[in-house]
Amino acid sequence: DIVLTQSPALAVSLGQRATISCRASQSVSTSSYNLMHWYQQKPGEQPKLLIYDASNLASGIPVRFSGSGSGTDFTLTINPVQADDIATYYCQQSRELPLTFGSGTKLEIK
Amino acid sequence: EVQLVESGGGLVQPGRSLKLSCLASGFTFSNYGMNWIRQAPGKGLEWVASISSSSSYIYYADTVKGRFTISRDNAKNTLYLQMTSLRSEDTALYYCARQDYYWFAYWGQGTLVTVSS
Repeated sequence: DIVLTQSPALAVSLGQRATISCRASQSVSTSSYNLMHWYQQKPGEQPKLLIYDASNLASGIPVRFSGSGSGTDFTLTINPVQADDIATYYCQQSRELPLTFGSGTKLEIK
Repeated sequence: EVQLVESGGGLVQPGRSLKLSCLASGFTFSNYGMNWIRQAPGKGLEWVASISSSSSYIYYADTVKGRFTISRDNAKNTLYLQMTSLRSEDTALYYCARQDYYWFAYWGQGTLVTVSS
């Protein structure tokens, strides 16, 4: 199975940049795609797609969210962080079965 | 507007069965693969099962293989998860999610399954 490793928590000041990382135990990229996706889950809510294929913004997601990376190292950036961004962020790979998620990074306000 | 509404959760004893449903609306259900994903209380997300648009391809996580069955009725716009031989570790909020290409584009609000005697 592909294991995705995320830091448990990140504290950032409002208006600053948040960088959330996700490292895969093996490459999740093909010659055409980077099969890593990012989701936001606020307390008591279902997850919501933010970024697909590593760097593509999902419909309706503010442009202060962005994603980058390839191979085994991926990053979700929020700039600037707003109070509404308090949530847990999960990465997920679809390179191979079983589909796996990272353990989540909880974004906190400093 | 895409809507996914799960139902069928509840309290069930270990070893018993339960069937979850997910009613889809706001899109052409028969065009999309669908998935079940679960989240144990206070824990992260775990993919459970996938089914292609025409039910030709079905996949399971090893943790549920042989006990859970995913299915769909495109005429009723409904996704199902039949769960048997339930264990305490199956206790979770179960989400259905629409798959767009390789990602989970839309999620339902979830239905809670509690396995306990």
